[in-house]
Amino acid sequence: DAKTTQPNSMESNEEEPVHLPCNHSTISGTDYIHWYRQLPSQGPEYVIHGLTSNVNNRMASLAIAEDRKSSTLILHRATLRDAAVYCCIAGGTSYGKLTFGQGTILTVHP
Amino acid sequence: EAGVAQSPRYKIIEKRQSVAFWCNPISGHATLYWYQQILGQGPKLLIQFQNNGVVDDSQLPKDRFSAERLKGVDSTLKIQPAKLEDSAVYLCASSLALTSNQPQHFGDGTRLSIL
Repeated sequence: DAKTTQPNSMESNEEEPVHLPCNHSTISGTDYIHWYRQLPSQGPEYVIHGLTSNVNNRMASLAIAEDRKSSTLILHRATLRDAAVYCCIAGGTSYGKLTFGQGTILTVHP
Repeated sequence: EAGVAQSPRYKIIEKRQSVAFWCNPISGHATLYWYQQILGQGPKLLIQFQNNGVVDDSQLPKDRFSAERLKGVDSTLKIQPAKLEDSAVYLCASSLALTSNQPQHFGDGTRLSIL
């Protein structure tokens, strides 16, 4: 998997959009970009993934830079339940294997 | 659909004892993963199964850890004998297929404390 760089922490206010950045400058052409989040005392939860095009689902949007060296996870309206550690992973080519980093701790203020 | 089920939720043992964890993946998911998550770190893959065969166990400490998925559904992970550094959350995940674009679905894990 390619090395990823994320801010250690970010803060947001409830009902505001949140943009979580991730740098993956050594990503290969076949690596997918995956986002997972982990709430306290729970296992990681799949959020979204993409290869080249921007992706949307019911949870979030994923904006991928044209050169694929960075991406941004967008939560359109943060809620208190979105407070979690968000982990960006660039890889999975090897039999779907994912290498988790420490991610970004997102704090949402009421 | 029902999620990935793991048991027990918590386990406390003394060092040098043995312990086993059980995982029931989402129905129809061919690929099963065991991860170890030490406090303050991201999950680390220990072993990956495709049906009942091992795909990757390069990170599994084979002198003390073992895992099996005999009928290609449920799986067990065993530690024997346990060491203090094995204190962690053990997570099981499953996915539909062995490809890089399939999301992994995680259980809530077993928290293991070694005294």
